[in-house]
Amino acid sequence: GQQLNQSPQSMFIQEGEDVSMNCTSSSIFNTWLWYKQDPGEGPVLLIALYKAGELTSNGRLTAQFGITRKDSFLNISASIPSDVGIYFCAGRWLLGSQGNLIFGKGTKLSVKP
Amino acid sequence: DVKVTQSSRYLVKRTGEKVFLECVQDMDHENMFWYRQDPGLGLRLIYFSYDVKMKEKGDIPEGYSVSREKKERFSLILESASTNQTSMYLCASSRAGGPVYEQYFGPGTRLTVT
Repeated sequence: GQQLNQSPQSMFIQEGEDVSMNCTSSSIFNTWLWYKQDPGEGPVLLIALYKAGELTSNGRLTAQFGITRKDSFLNISASIPSDVGIYFCAGRWLLGSQGNLIFGKGTKLSVKP
Repeated sequence: DVKVTQSSRYLVKRTGEKVFLECVQDMDHENMFWYRQDPGLGLRLIYFSYDVKMKEKGDIPEGYSVSREKKERFSLILESASTNQTSMYLCASSRAGGPVYEQYFGPGTRLTVT
């Protein structure tokens, strides 16, 4: 089946740093979504992207739908401690079933010791 | 705001028991989904439903069944729980059709089978 490669798997942040993560696919997607999951909770939708090249912000978060339609990026500027958690990308494969999403395995953000 | 609720946050069951996980959404969404989440494996789709009384198998349906008698409610059933079904179970809902495919998740049920 279709798979999303999300990287990095994990990273450590220091308060004030900018953070970047991305997702890539071997197939064309027509939707990219980014979620954040806190420990013991369900994922919360952060940003939704529907057009190639689209750049959308939500506060300190900015996400882009890649021009090739096979990738997406999420940037967090000036990170703060509450940014820690797991970030998931999700995409809808162009030829996929109605409404179904494919999820990346997540990028875990932790605070630098 | 979309609200998806799940009947229990934590559940402990014994091997062989029948287990019901309930999910309710209040946004009149047509689509509902059940996933399980395990470390290193990400979210895996168990079953989904696009309409009342309709269900489709996801990627890992074995050992599970579902019921959707009302639009707002989607139940996941473990007919005979086994230890390898210990996991975090997440319910999600979304509107039907495009171009919006945003899924909204409930808080999850952490199920332990002993």
